[in-house]
Amino acid sequence: QVQLQESGPGLVTPSGALSLTCAVSGDSVSSGHWWSWVRQSSEKGLEWIGEMYHSGGANYNPSLRSRVTISVDKSKNQFSLHLTSVTAADTAVYYCAARNEYCSGGVCNPWYFDLWGQGTLVTVSS
Amino acid sequence: DIQMTQSPSSLSASVGDSVTITCRASQDISNYVAWHQQRPGKAPKSLIYAASSLQSGVPPKFTGSGSGTEFALTINSLQPEDFATYYCQQYKSHPLTFGGGTKVEIK
Repeated sequence: QVQLQESGPGLVTPSGALSLTCAVSGDSVSSGHWWSWVRQSSEKGLEWIGEMYHSGGANYNPSLRSRVTISVDKSKNQFSLHLTSVTAADTAVYYCAARNEYCSGGVCNPWYFDLWGQGTLVTVSS
Repeated sequence: DIQMTQSPSSLSASVGDSVTITCRASQDISNYVAWHQQRPGKAPKSLIYAASSLQSGVPPKFTGSGSGTEFALTINSLQPEDFATYYCQQYKSHPLTFGGGTKVEIK
């Protein structure tokens, strides 16, 4: 059974950077999944942050693109989120998640979510 | 961005009832809709994809329907574990977007 587990600091200072890691167990990050981050706050509800494929393809939410980097570490079988210049508006529960892929005619694209981590609360405060 | 509008935002029902939640997309998204369940303090759990296909292990009491811009999730024979918040989500185009949620409460 594939499981995702987030880890990282629960408190980040304003203007600093937020870094979270998602450990993947029961599957390889090089499998046919797009590795994603989603956050949830009372103000914005569920908000998709972005996703990355193990070969390097990535998609980001335009509202966060200038501050976000998602990376995949095949040696550790994990993927990570890095968000810079954080403010109180970035306070949220952060979930790692995964979308499987749909392949047709030799082209594969991300499809629907089929995996979620348990989530981790990150508070931005001094 | 594609806006996903759910209604109602909350509803009350009794154990054994059936309820229907609707979701409207701001543009045609074919059947690229998923539904997720979130119990209090827990992560979302994916129930349905492609508007009407059940994720593995999800009981058939959950039924999804619709295409284009109008979608619905019906939950039959509500049980205590079904009282939760439900979200629709489109994956037709980036950025992926979610509805505001429908909280199903016990009457």
